[in-house]
Amino acid sequence: DAGVTQSPTHLIKTRGQQVTLRCSPKSGHDTVSWYQQALGQGPQFIFQYYEEEERQRGNFPDRFSGHQFPNYSSELNVNALLLGDSALYLCASSSRANGANVLTFGAGSRLTVL
Amino acid sequence: KNQVEQSPQSLIILEGKNCTLQCNYTVSPFSNLRWYKQDTGRGPVSLTIMTFSENTKSNGRYTATLDADTKQSSLHITASQLSDSASYICVVSTLFGNEKLTFGTGTRLTIIP
Repeated sequence: DAGVTQSPTHLIKTRGQQVTLRCSPKSGHDTVSWYQQALGQGPQFIFQYYEEEERQRGNFPDRFSGHQFPNYSSELNVNALLLGDSALYLCASSSRANGANVLTFGAGSRLTVL
Repeated sequence: KNQVEQSPQSLIILEGKNCTLQCNYTVSPFSNLRWYKQDTGRGPVSLTIMTFSENTKSNGRYTATLDADTKQSSLHITASQLSDSASYICVVSTLFGNEKLTFGTGTRLTIIP
């Protein structure tokens, strides 16, 4: 049973560029959440997708956008990259049916902006 | 403002020793509290989840306690192993409409032989 898979694992971009990160949720999960984790910090909630719609959003600018596909996989897009966007981006999946919204995290995508 | 504070920021102990990590929160209304283990460069892995009515929960050598009155939790690690070296993150959930999670910044634990 595959857990949450994320791609790419590492990538380097320059300021002003755009990036797309991808996530496949754990089998049986229908909800995907994205988090940004700066070095030495706890994860910060970006947004959550369920039924192909953004259901919740954290305090992130519109440069951060996402999408969920019919197979529950998801993408995180970041436009006009800033140096401060350098972080580990974590995808977490869960199932609405289990009530406690227990999250299963992927290994993350490490983004470096130069 | 909902906040989760963890202490200490970092901790170094000898292999085989016990340790206790602390978590204080101001999240309201409270739904549940979770402890995660995060190895360097990896995603967090759930250790325990406790609701308001639970004051202790164990997962092998990990035991979490919760005092909902004082809004404090602790994670006790018994007979530490080198593989316990990781960051331990306390996460508090609030259920007000949609569930929201507030993450602590974590305690970085290093086990030395």
